[in-house]
Amino acid sequence: QLLLRESGPGLVKPSETLSLTCTISGDSITSKTYFWGWFRQPPGRGLQWIANTYVRGSTYYNPSLKSRVTVSVDTSKNQFSLRLTSLTAADTAVYYCARDNGGYGLDPWGQGTLVTVSS
Amino acid sequence: QSALTQPPSASGSPGQSVTISCTGTSGDVGTYNYVSWYQQHPGKAPRLMIFEVSKRPSGVPDRFSGSKSGNTAYLTVSGLQAEDEAHYYCSSYVDPNKLVFGGGTKVTVL
Repeated sequence: QLLLRESGPGLVKPSETLSLTCTISGDSITSKTYFWGWFRQPPGRGLQWIANTYVRGSTYYNPSLKSRVTVSVDTSKNQFSLRLTSLTAADTAVYYCARDNGGYGLDPWGQGTLVTVSS
Repeated sequence: QSALTQPPSASGSPGQSVTISCTGTSGDVGTYNYVSWYQQHPGKAPRLMIFEVSKRPSGVPDRFSGSKSGNTAYLTVSGLQAEDEAHYYCSSYVDPNKLVFGGGTKVTVL
């Protein structure tokens, strides 16, 4: 069974950089032609796509976040990571990772991790 | 890229049907047959319910169905059950590799 799990700090200060990792178990991050994505959901609000990455190719970013976001992959650890710079309170959200099956939808999702930006 | 438009709420009594709309543009929903729907209960991660407009993943009850007309996609939940009370989000590709979500619809089972 494929499982994804997000990890990272729960609290970060304004202007600092957030680093999150998504660890994949039950399959290899390099198997088949999947994308792997990052998403977030501010408290009480809807979902927002951040970025998705293809292990053997390109990474695509939400234009509204592109200048602050970097996604990287570590195939040796079966992980992919998110780096978000210049944090503000507006970046407070639950951050999710998920497998992007292209037209077949986002499945499965990690359980999510709450990140609070506050001094 | 602008968010897809969903009604903030919808409701129905047990056993009834409820339909949620998801309106985009010719640049997303109208072009790509890659519309998905997600169910999210409070404090939980989203769950894929529909992909490619109308297909159900294994394990999703056939009470859930999807369709599309022009720039608008629809999710219908038939035979409403108490467990269907949740938020529902649609998503579509904007171009082949970029995604956009709807704002979400809270479905209440009366």
